[in-house]
Amino acid sequence: DQQVKQNSPSLSVQEGRISILNCDYTNSMFDYFLWYKKYPAEGPTFLISISSIKDKNEDGRFTVFLNKSAKHLSLHIVPSQPGDSAVYFCAASASGTYKYIFGTGTRLKVLA
Amino acid sequence: EADIYQTPRYLVIGTGKKITLECSQTMGHDKMYWYQQDPGMELHLIHYSYGVNSTEKGDLSSESTVSRIRTEHFPLTLESARPSHTSQYLCASSGYRGGYTFGSGTRLTVV
Repeated sequence: DQQVKQNSPSLSVQEGRISILNCDYTNSMFDYFLWYKKYPAEGPTFLISISSIKDKNEDGRFTVFLNKSAKHLSLHIVPSQPGDSAVYFCAASASGTYKYIFGTGTRLKVLA
Repeated sequence: EADIYQTPRYLVIGTGKKITLECSQTMGHDKMYWYQQDPGMELHLIHYSYGVNSTEKGDLSSESTVSRIRTEHFPLTLESARPSHTSQYLCASSGYRGGYTFGSGTRLTVV
């Protein structure tokens, strides 16, 4: 039973446009969420996080939105750049734990 | 520059061999983790440690074992490698709840 789901395995976006990556979760105990970016043959690198006390967090071109009632979060990348082409994972954890549950990832391709 | 190191990056080994995947971090983090990822699949937690002499099995059953004798070192061992162990193994550490720092991973192929 997947607690964190990324239903779009891949996404293609034109350079300069917005990329929107989605993530759904089922466990209402999750209250901290992360997005990671992963290039082939490398470990994931941390992008941005959000706590359940917020509904939005922004860092440069990256913004994460959290809709707790829908158990849904999304990562917006504006403007998208070819270097953003990678696999993006969302991850969630519950208060009192230090373990993160990861989604299956979405492969983003930004076309020049 | 990486603060968490995994060796080797790539390993091809025969069935039945014993292997140890190394993971070391220089950040003084208490918490360390091993994840396994198959292509196109999610990262599965297979082992974690919240400190020296503390190890726990993760959500995905694994035939591997780990040890945590020193804070900075968290090796993973497979006593007898099998083709089903072919995967990417990612080590991570965390000193606070803000997230993990991952190593570059070890891509293991068992032939």
